[in-house]
Amino acid sequence: EDQVTQSPEALRLQEGESSSLNCSYTVSGLRGLFWYRQDPGKGPEFLFTLYSAGEEKEKERLKATLTKKESFLHITAPKPEDSATYLCAVQVSGGSYIPTFGRGTSLIVHP
Amino acid sequence: SQTIHQWPATLVQPVGSPLSLECTVEGTSNPNLYWYRQAAGRGLQLLFYSVGIGQISSEVPQNLSASRPQDRQFILSSKKLLLSDSGFYLCAWATGNTGELFFGEGSRLTVL
Repeated sequence: EDQVTQSPEALRLQEGESSSLNCSYTVSGLRGLFWYRQDPGKGPEFLFTLYSAGEEKEKERLKATLTKKESFLHITAPKPEDSATYLCAVQVSGGSYIPTFGRGTSLIVHP
Repeated sequence: SQTIHQWPATLVQPVGSPLSLECTVEGTSNPNLYWYRQAAGRGLQLLFYSVGIGQISSEVPQNLSASRPQDRQFILSSKKLLLSDSGFYLCAWATGNTGELFFGEGSRLTVL
């Protein structure tokens, strides 16, 4: 069974304190891995797509990386406005194209 | 540009009452459409998806149904709500079979 596990469940950082969120996956074949940001009471907002091991994508203070077993979302010098839940999803090749979501990491950045 | 609208934003309904949540997409044609439910502390649970008008696939047996009467309209319904139907419902669209989904603002349903 395809699985997506995110860790930690919750993360508290001080403003400027860099850290990483993890998304590990066990799938038969990866078609794509996706990161989303979700603010409280809102729908998720698409951030990045990664397709193959070694690929990296950046947007402002966020950088997503991908290996054969996991993806990291690195947050450099975070600001309070980066506080949100970050969701990871994977799409499997050769099967249903429906992405499977992890439970997310709730990030709080204190000023 | 493409936009997605979902309503109502908040709904409080008694047990046994009907439900209708609507979602419309603008600025694109023949999108794949999705209904997800998100419970507190849990991930997104796929309820229904549609690749075209009148084509609905259900992922989880439940008290809910979905319909797609028009290309860019997706409706989630129930004839009789249960307490367990409470949650945050999200509509999303995608171009083809890409995993890049674009979500609406969500509908918070509380069943009392």
